[in-house]
Amino acid sequence: GIQVEQSPPDLILQEGANSTLRCNFSDSVNNLQWFHQNPWGQLINLFYIPSGTKQNGRLSATTVATERYSLLYISSSQTTDSGVYFCAAVMPLSGSSNTGKLIFGQGTTLQVKP
Amino acid sequence: DTEVTQTPKHLVMGMTNKKSLKCEQHMGHRAMYWYKQKAKKPPELMFVYSYEKLSINESVPSRFSPECPNSSLLNLHLHALQPEDSALYLCASSPGGPAGGEQYFGPGTRLTVT
Repeated sequence: GIQVEQSPPDLILQEGANSTLRCNFSDSVNNLQWFHQNPWGQLINLFYIPSGTKQNGRLSATTVATERYSLLYISSSQTTDSGVYFCAAVMPLSGSSNTGKLIFGQGTTLQVKP
Repeated sequence: DTEVTQTPKHLVMGMTNKKSLKCEQHMGHRAMYWYKQKAKKPPELMFVYSYEKLSINESVPSRFSPECPNSSLLNLHLHALQPEDSALYLCASSPGGPAGGEQYFGPGTRLTVT
């Protein structure tokens, strides 16, 4: 099955710094989701991005589907950005045309220091 | 509104207890999911419902029993659990269509089995 790899596994930043998180996937995907999991466990949707670039405030994401990777950019980081960032490949489920399966990477744990 | 709600937030149960987790969404989504997440790991898919019918069971032990009473509600009934079942249980929903569409997660139930 498809493999999803994220790098780096851990990242420590000073407040105000910029960072780039990477997600590689081993095969073609229907779509790609980026999530931020906060310290209380809530998975927050960041981007749903099969290809191209999207921006939302200080965050942006770029997926290059032909080269099987996606990048998440965080600019001017804040302490509230701390947590785990997951990317997940969205794949159709066999036998169920209306649903999909998220294949998660192992995550990048980000700590932003004041 | 992209909200999925889950109750309870925390649950402690003994190995002989029976309890239920509840999930609700009012986005009109036709696909609903249960995931299990252990500490420092990504979420793992357990069950998938499409149009209120169980479409996928990812080889989950029978001590976990899902139920979808209507298009907005999803339950997970728990019986005779083991301490290794302690985890964060996440519910998600998606609108449907190819590969299910973008998945939105609830805040989770943190389960401890004693």
